[in-house]
Amino acid sequence: AQTVTQSQPEMSVQEAETVTLSCTYDTSESNYYLFWYKQPPSRQMILVIRQEAYKQQNATENRFSVNFQKAAKSFSLKISDSQLGDTAMYFCAFKNTNAGKSTFGDGTTLTVKP
Amino acid sequence: NAGVTQTPKFRVLKTGQSMTLLCAQDMNHEYMYWYRQDPGMGLRLIHYSVGEGTTAKGEVPDGYNVSRLKKQNFLLGLESAAPSQTSVYFCASSLERDYNEQFFGPGTRLTVL
Repeated sequence: AQTVTQSQPEMSVQEAETVTLSCTYDTSESNYYLFWYKQPPSRQMILVIRQEAYKQQNATENRFSVNFQKAAKSFSLKISDSQLGDTAMYFCAFKNTNAGKSTFGDGTTLTVKP
Repeated sequence: NAGVTQTPKFRVLKTGQSMTLLCAQDMNHEYMYWYRQDPGMGLRLIHYSVGEGTTAKGEVPDGYNVSRLKKQNFLLGLESAAPSQTSVYFCASSLERDYNEQFFGPGTRLTVL
């Protein structure tokens, strides 16, 4: 079974600074998909960014980017120019090809301080 | 589009009572999921469905049942609630392709006394 580990239960960052959230996973598969989701306080979870394992280029979405290290099975999320609205719980998720379901990490609570 | 909606938003049950949580999506998604979220434990998959009329067990299925009679609805039932089932329950849906993300509902906060 796949496992996803987020080793930082809580993190904080000053507004406008950069922060990196870590995620590692365990799998024997060669092709799969990785996701970062954001769950703001009292709001619905939404997708932040996704990465396909067969693509070597790291995904980017505006201020959000990933550092995907396939050999190390690492998938970290970098948030640049942090904003107060980035305060949320962030979940890393792994999805095997044709699995139909994802495995989520335990989450990292990020607080952006003014 | 309303996206993914969940009914009810809050519920308090006594031990042994039963209830059904309703999840509805209007995005014509094939896949639907039920998760529970407990403090410090992230999201754990209870049951999921890959299409109308199909269901499958996730990692924590005991004490729950599900049904997917219509494509847009996914019901989660608790036959005899226990305090250990106190949690926040999230429903999600997605398109069939692997690279598609899940869309989540707002959650149902359930307390079992």
